[in-house]
Amino acid sequence: EAQVTQNPRYLITVTGKKLTVTCSQNMNHEYMSWYRQDPGLGLRQIYYSMNVEVTDKGDVPEGYKVSRKEKRNFPLILESPSPNQTSLYFCASTSQLGRKAFFGQGTRLTVV
Amino acid sequence: DQQVKQNSPSLSVQEGRISILNCDYTNSMFDYFLWYKKYPAEGPTFLISISSIKDKNEDGRFTVFLNKSAKHLSLHIVPSQPGDSAVYFCAASAIRGDNRKLIWGLGTSLAVNP
Repeated sequence: EAQVTQNPRYLITVTGKKLTVTCSQNMNHEYMSWYRQDPGLGLRQIYYSMNVEVTDKGDVPEGYKVSRKEKRNFPLILESPSPNQTSLYFCASTSQLGRKAFFGQGTRLTVV
Repeated sequence: DQQVKQNSPSLSVQEGRISILNCDYTNSMFDYFLWYKKYPAEGPTFLISISSIKDKNEDGRFTVFLNKSAKHLSLHIVPSQPGDSAVYFCAASAIRGDNRKLIWGLGTSLAVNP
């Protein structure tokens, strides 16, 4: 079954404690992205990757890092989380930019 | 500035009737449009898309209409079912441009009442 898997689904952490949200896809897609969803702001792209070792900033990259060492994995790293990063995060992958994308189930992050 | 606008935050319809969700865009470079559905606690799932070379695309109960001159598209759901209750996102991309990423609207929450 084609899927994008994110972990964890829910996470509560404290300010400044480094965390990683993992994302894995089994469709051999070249393109992967991270989004955050906030009330009234819709889906905003954080970072995207066009292939292994190729990443670029999206619309709201501040406070986040990503890496793409393998094609299937695209982890999102928060080196020093702050309360304004409390949000719902989605990972997505696609075989072609601007076309149909597959999304993970989401990670609800709360930073206190 | 929102390049993709869904001006109705919510919509309520009766089961069996037609649901019409609207989306407007400002960037004339957009040439591909998608609709996604999102249930609570789940990721968005692709519903239907349309290329700018068409003005209509149909898939079962779902039809998307594109009016390029008005920079407007709409999603019709006929007949609406309670399981269609979800948030619907419109997205657009400019395949021929430098920026090919998806640009998203803010979503419309559809409630289909039994």
